[in-house]
Amino acid sequence: AQTVTQSQPEMSVQEAETVTLSCTYDTSENNYYLFWYKQPPSRQMILVIRQEAYKQQNATENRFSVNFQKAAKSFSLKISDSQLGDTAMYFCAFTSGGGADGLTFGKGTHLIIQP
Amino acid sequence: GAVVSQHPSRVICKSGTSVKIECRSLDFQATTMFWYRQFPKQSLMLMATSNEGSKATYEQGVEKDKFLINHASLTLSTLTVTSAHPEDSSFYICSASGGSLNYEQYFGPGTRLTVT
Repeated sequence: AQTVTQSQPEMSVQEAETVTLSCTYDTSENNYYLFWYKQPPSRQMILVIRQEAYKQQNATENRFSVNFQKAAKSFSLKISDSQLGDTAMYFCAFTSGGGADGLTFGKGTHLIIQP
Repeated sequence: GAVVSQHPSRVICKSGTSVKIECRSLDFQATTMFWYRQFPKQSLMLMATSNEGSKATYEQGVEKDKFLINHASLTLSTLTVTSAHPEDSSFYICSASGGSLNYEQYFGPGTRLTVT
């Protein structure tokens, strides 16, 4: 069974700073997909960024980027120039089923951006 | 594109009654739909996976007779909580795959169920 571990229950940074959220996972699969989701107080799950395991290049979406270390099974999220609207729960998620299998989520990190 | 809706957004029911939650993919055909449960201040836990026209696959520890899932079409899946009890109170979220990126899941806005 796959597991996803987020070791930071809560983080707080000042606006405009850079913050990195950590995520590690455990799997015996070789082909899989990793995601970071944001869940604001509305509880709507919002996809932040995705990474296909077969791609060596780290994914980037505007201020959001990942550091994907396949051998170490690590998938951290870096948020640059943090904004007040980034305050939310962030979940790391894993799937190996290519759309046929559900997601395994980490416990989440509550990120607070201070003004 | 890739919008998923859920109805109702909130529901309160009495203990012992049943409640149905609908999940619809609005602009794509969902080959697979998923149901998750999220307790307060916790993460999402997969309950079951359903494919159109097939029986749902339930995760270990999820009672299939209590959480009935019907996936009647490529755009609609329903979750019925039967004989609800206060411990079933939770946030239920559906997702669907089958959009332009086949492995990606698109989430509905969730349903808050309160059993009194």
